[in-house]
Amino acid sequence: GAVVSQHPSWVICKSGTSVKIECRSLDFQATTMFWYRQFPKQSLMLMATSNEGSKATYEQGVEKDKFLINHASLTLSTLTVTSAHPEDSSFYICSASVSSGSITDTQYFGPGTRLTVL
Amino acid sequence: AQSVTQPDIHITVSEGASLELRCNYSYGATPYLFWYVQSPGQGLQLLLKYFSGDTLVQGIKGFEAEFKRSQSSFNLRKPSVHWSDAAEYFCAVGATSGGYQKVTFGTGTKLQVIP
Repeated sequence: GAVVSQHPSWVICKSGTSVKIECRSLDFQATTMFWYRQFPKQSLMLMATSNEGSKATYEQGVEKDKFLINHASLTLSTLTVTSAHPEDSSFYICSASVSSGSITDTQYFGPGTRLTVL
Repeated sequence: AQSVTQPDIHITVSEGASLELRCNYSYGATPYLFWYVQSPGQGLQLLLKYFSGDTLVQGIKGFEAEFKRSQSSFNLRKPSVHWSDAAEYFCAVGATSGGYQKVTFGTGTKLQVIP
């Protein structure tokens, strides 16, 4: 149980285009979803936290207008990288938890999406 | 702000040998600590977590970790490594911030298992 999927697994796009990444909780309802970014040989960096039906909370230094997050339902959150540039190339990982963001909640992670911007 | 250090980027062990992956954290209050494993093409999977109580925590796949407050450490151990344990391991510390959960990850340790 507690499976999280991401689509697509990898995407290549041209500079200046927008890319949407989906994160779905397949067998549970996720009140809270998280988006992370992972650079090669580096740690996962939290980008934003979203609760269903409300605006996402972004971490310091993350551009809200560039990384649009929509958590429209209890099973789906999307991350849209707008006007992507090569420096946005990275591995994006989402996670979901079944409660309201308490530290004791377990986060279930998706397999990640590799974005390459040419 | 919390932080996590995993001093070993890469570790190689023989199958059947014991394993210890190091993790040091920095956090002002009682930490919430996690170990995750990431296999290629798969999402991070929670191995174990520590919130309070017994400082020796048992996890899945035969892993355990010991919380040592005096050393600010939460090292992961396994008595006998299997080839399927080859993966990347992340230590993490969690806190609540602004009413929501925030988990900070270390840079990971890549485990290679040789026959």
